[in-house]
Amino acid sequence: QVQLQESGPGLVKPSDTLSLTCTVSGGSLSSYYWSWIRQPPGKGLEWLGYIYYSGSTSYNPSLRSRVTISEDTSKNQFSLRLNSVTAADTAVYYCARAHSSGRIFDIWGQGTMVTVSS
Amino acid sequence: DIQMTQSPSSLSASVGDRVTITCRASQSISSYLNWYQQKVGKAPKLLIYAASSLQSGVPSRFSGSGSGTDFTLTISSLQPEDFATYYCQQTYSTLTFGQGTKLEIK
Repeated sequence: QVQLQESGPGLVKPSDTLSLTCTVSGGSLSSYYWSWIRQPPGKGLEWLGYIYYSGSTSYNPSLRSRVTISEDTSKNQFSLRLNSVTAADTAVYYCARAHSSGRIFDIWGQGTMVTVSS
Repeated sequence: DIQMTQSPSSLSASVGDRVTITCRASQSISSYLNWYQQKVGKAPKLLIYAASSLQSGVPSRFSGSGSGTDFTLTISSLQPEDFATYYCQQTYSTLTFGQGTKLEIK
């Protein structure tokens, strides 16, 4: 079955760029939307954006100027870059597979905690 | 953005109880509404999509209903493994989630 696994630094300095990768196993990137969602400690969920397997992207307008999602089909991976981070970006970051135009998240990674601190 | 408000924020119930969680949208979202279950330290799990469609593999004691602005998630007979936090998510426009409803053991 399809599984997702996030990887990347657990600590990022303020004003730096947060970079995470999601590796997809048991399936390919084809025909689905691949998303990033985050959850600050003790708080709710926030959708960051997605990339369709064709390469088209969509981002949450509240973060659009800081977020970039890309893919590497040869490695079956997709990635998140979040620029100019602050403490407010401290969260568990999840990657997820979505269908129905990227609206329904049916498979999630386990999540990775990223702390923004000097 | 469309705001999603869940009620109650927390709920205590016993095994075997029937439980209903409500989600209200700040504007009409037709049936563009999903429900997720999240256990502590785990990723969310899709339960219901398109307001009332049961995700494959999810027990039939879970059901969803509603359209427009008001939606409900019902668990017909609570099981020990159902104690978790539940989130609604609207997919009508920029994706947003409710603040969550924590279901605890009474």
